[in-house]
Amino acid sequence: EVQLVESGGGMVQPGRSLRLSCTASGFSFGAYAMSWFRQAPGKGLEWVGFIGSNVYSGTTDCAASVKGRFTISRDDSKSIAYLQMNSLKAEDTAVYYCTRGRYQFDYWGQGTLVTVSS
Amino acid sequence: QSALTQPPSASGSPGQSVTISCTGTSSDVGGYNHVSWYQQHPGKAPKVMIYEVSKRPSGVPDRFSGSKSGNTASLTVSGLQAEDEADYYCSSLAGNNNFVFGTGTKVTVL
Repeated sequence: EVQLVESGGGMVQPGRSLRLSCTASGFSFGAYAMSWFRQAPGKGLEWVGFIGSNVYSGTTDCAASVKGRFTISRDDSKSIAYLQMNSLKAEDTAVYYCTRGRYQFDYWGQGTLVTVSS
Repeated sequence: QSALTQPPSASGSPGQSVTISCTGTSSDVGGYNHVSWYQQHPGKAPKVMIYEVSKRPSGVPDRFSGSKSGNTASLTVSGLQAEDEADYYCSSLAGNNNFVFGTGTKVTVL
């Protein structure tokens, strides 16, 4: 059974950093791209970024709204994808989801809440 | 990137059909076949119901169908059931690896 479990969320002050983890199981992790999405409280979904599979040398890209502040990486030996978030702003407050895939997102984690507040 | 436009709400009685539209531009919906629809129940993660405009993942009932014409995609739920009551979001590839989402539609089963 495919499972994605996010962790690392919490409350953080503006300007600080946080790293989210997405631990995968039930599939050959290294063969798949992984993506991150977020959803602000009471709002719609927003694509955050993706990292390609090892076949594509782990190519990454992020949305313009987070580019330069957020970085996506992966550790295939541990089946974990990471979302490093720096210089956090209040508008980054959201539930963050990791998903499997680059163009089709067939499995989603349960999400982890990040609250940016002083 | 502007959000795709969806009606804020839609409703139908059990057994009826409801269709949700998703309007974008030639730079997103009209330019790619990577259009997906997601169902989201309160407090839960989104679940993909349709991908690549009209394909259904295994396990999704065939009551759910998708289509596209020009810059507008549509999701039809036939034979509405109580468990279909949820928020529905469309999404589309929008070039340069970007994805854009719709504004969301709350479906109510009367």
